[in-house]
Amino acid sequence: DAKTTQPPSMDCAEGRAANLPCNHSTISGNEYVYWYRQIHSQGPQYIIHGLKNNETNEMASLIITEDRKSSTLILPHATLRDTAVYYCIVRVGAGSARQLTFGSGTQLTVLP
Amino acid sequence: DTAVSQTPKYLVTQMGNDKSIKCEQNLGHDTMYWYKQDSKKFLKIMFSYNNKELIINETVPNRFSPKSPDKAHLNLHINSLELGDSAVYFCASSQESGSSYEQYFGPGTRLTVT
Repeated sequence: DAKTTQPPSMDCAEGRAANLPCNHSTISGNEYVYWYRQIHSQGPQYIIHGLKNNETNEMASLIITEDRKSSTLILPHATLRDTAVYYCIVRVGAGSARQLTFGSGTQLTVLP
Repeated sequence: DTAVSQTPKYLVTQMGNDKSIKCEQNLGHDTMYWYKQDSKKFLKIMFSYNNKELIINETVPNRFSPKSPDKAHLNLHINSLELGDSAVYFCASSQESGSSYEQYFGPGTRLTVT
């Protein structure tokens, strides 16, 4: 699985959009970008995934650059409950039944 | 209505003891996992298992062994506990077939070895 690089920490004001970047410059054609988050002391939670098109669900939007070397997770209206560590993971295949390789992630702090 | 549950939530034990952590999922998934999160907060896969295959991370000591009495359970047995085994252990599950993309994680078991 390709390596990812994320900033160690970011702050965001409550109610504003949180934009979390991820660099995956060595991504290959069959690798998907997944985002998970871990709220303090809880198990990780799936957010969204994509291959090359932008994706949106009830939690977030995922923007993948045309060359697929980087992506941005967008939380459109961050709340205090979105404070968590966000992990960008690149992995072969769309199926879920493969282990996830977590990096160090980005600690997002939503400020009141 | 918990999807993935683990027991116990906290486990404090002495070096050299043998302990088990239980994991159950009620999602009907066919693949289960154990992850370890150490004090530096890095999450690492230990095992993935379905009824066909057990995949072991080569860095996991053989003191750790997963045991699956049925498809809904994957327990983690640890023999001869060491100080370095202190960590939070997360169980997870997923469905291999179909269009499922998520792994569902349990709440974690905090193991402290003294």
